Amino acid sequence: AQKVTQAQTEISVVEKEDVTLDCVYETRDTTYYLFWYKQPPSGELVFLIRRNSFDEQNEISGRYSWNFQKSTSSFNFTITASQVVDSAVYFCALGTSGTYKYIFGTGTRLKVLA
Amino acid sequence: GAVVSQHPSWVICKSGTSVKIECRSLDFQATTMFWYRQFPKQSLMLMATSNEGSKATYEQGVEKDKFLINHASLTLSTLTVTSAHPEDSSFYICSARRLAAYNEQFFGPGTRLTVL
Repeated sequence: AQKVTQAQTEISVVEKEDVTLDCVYETRDTTYYLFWYKQPPSGELVFLIRRNSFDEQNEISGRYSWNFQKSTSSFNFTITASQVVDSAVYFCALGTSGTYKYIFGTGTRLKVLA
Repeated sequence: GAVVSQHPSWVICKSGTSVKIECRSLDFQATTMFWYRQFPKQSLMLMATSNEGSKATYEQGVEKDKFLINHASLTLSTLTVTSAHPEDSSFYICSARRLAAYNEQFFGPGTRLTVL
């Protein structure tokens, strides 16, 4: 079975705090892809990152960083020095190479307070 | 590049009418398009996968006769909600997979359907 778990339903932080959003996935495939998307109130999904199963390097992009650990089947996302504009729902997704389908986690609603 | 559009962005209709939503890949050819539904404060749920020139594949629990999908070209897929009812009110999002691209979908901006 393939599954994505985002255990944190909602997180509230004060501006400038760091925050980590957790994502745990399940798959039996050896080749798979992991994604993070941001969904602001407008509803449009904003692509943040893609990782394939063979690339365990961590990634940093500005205030965003991602920690991919196959040993724990986790792909966590950290926002450093959070800003009010970071307030949104964040989705982690798993994609498989066979069907090309995505399985989305339930999302984490992040509220950054001024 | 890799832009996907949806039309309309929002629609309000009366119960019992049919509504068509278009999904277009503007600057690439899409071998596969996907349709998702998202209820308020919930995740995206895949409804169906459509491949150009063939019948759509529906996920378990999705009524194929109610949600008609047509993928007539490599840049256009349509979703028609037939005989819409208030419980069909939702946010519908399409995505497109580019030819020869590995597993990456490009998402449209979504269509908000409200059935009165």
